[in-house]
Amino acid sequence: DGGITQSPKYLFRKEGQNVTLSCEQNLNHDAMYWYRQDPGQGLRLIYYSQIVNDFQKGDIAEGYSVSREKKESFPLTVTSAQKNPTAFYLCASSITSGSEIDNEQFFGPGTRLTVL
Amino acid sequence: RKEVEQDPGPFNVPEGATVAFNCTYSNSASQSFFWYRQDCRKEPKLLMSVYSSGNEDGRFTAQLNRASQYISLLIRDSKLSDSATYLCVVPGGGSTLGRLYFGRGTQLTVWP
Repeated sequence: DGGITQSPKYLFRKEGQNVTLSCEQNLNHDAMYWYRQDPGQGLRLIYYSQIVNDFQKGDIAEGYSVSREKKESFPLTVTSAQKNPTAFYLCASSITSGSEIDNEQFFGPGTRLTVL
Repeated sequence: RKEVEQDPGPFNVPEGATVAFNCTYSNSASQSFFWYRQDCRKEPKLLMSVYSSGNEDGRFTAQLNRASQYISLLIRDSKLSDSATYLCVVPGGGSTLGRLYFGRGTQLTVWP
C-alpha cells in the first residue's frame, strides 16, 4: 500500500538534546512538508521541499533543520535551539506540478514529541 | 490579515441536525480550496476539494463565494461519527505556490 510513514509515534527527549523525526513516502510525490501542531492551534509550516536536494523555510523554521537527499525521505531534526519543542509533528507530501489543483497534501500519522 | 480565518467553534449539535462552517481567505487569486477533517490526536485527511462554485458529496456540500472570498462547508443529517475538527485550507500562489495554508479548524461535536 502506498502512503506516508512517520516514526516513532511517541518520542521523549531531555532538554538540550537534538532529536530526528523520520518521514518516508512511497507515493512518488515530489514535494514534502513538515508541520507542527500545538493544542487548539492550526498547522504551522516548519520546512518544505519541492524537489530533491532543495528545501525552503516555512513560517517557524528556527530551531529546526531538514535534509532531502532522497525523494522518499524528508527527516526533521529538532535541535536544542528550539525553545518550545513539545508538540505534534506532521509530515505530508504532494504532487508538484506548478498547478494549484494538484496541491492536495497527504499526511503521515504524526509524531508526538515531549521534552522532559 | 491571515491567509485563512475560521470560526473555531465549538459547534455542538444533535444527531440529524444541519450545521455550516464558514472560512474566509485573503488571496483573491486562489483557484482551489480544500476541507480537511482531523479526528482527535490523528492526522488531517482530505474531506472535499472545491475548484469551482461548489462541490457536493453525499451529506457534505462545500460552496465557494469568490466575490466575498469565503468558503463554506454544510453537513446535513449529522451523525455521531461526524464529530471532529474541520480545517479550511487554501493553496498559496506566486512565490508561495506549493504551500497550503491551514485555518485553525472548527470543532464539531454531534451528540445523541
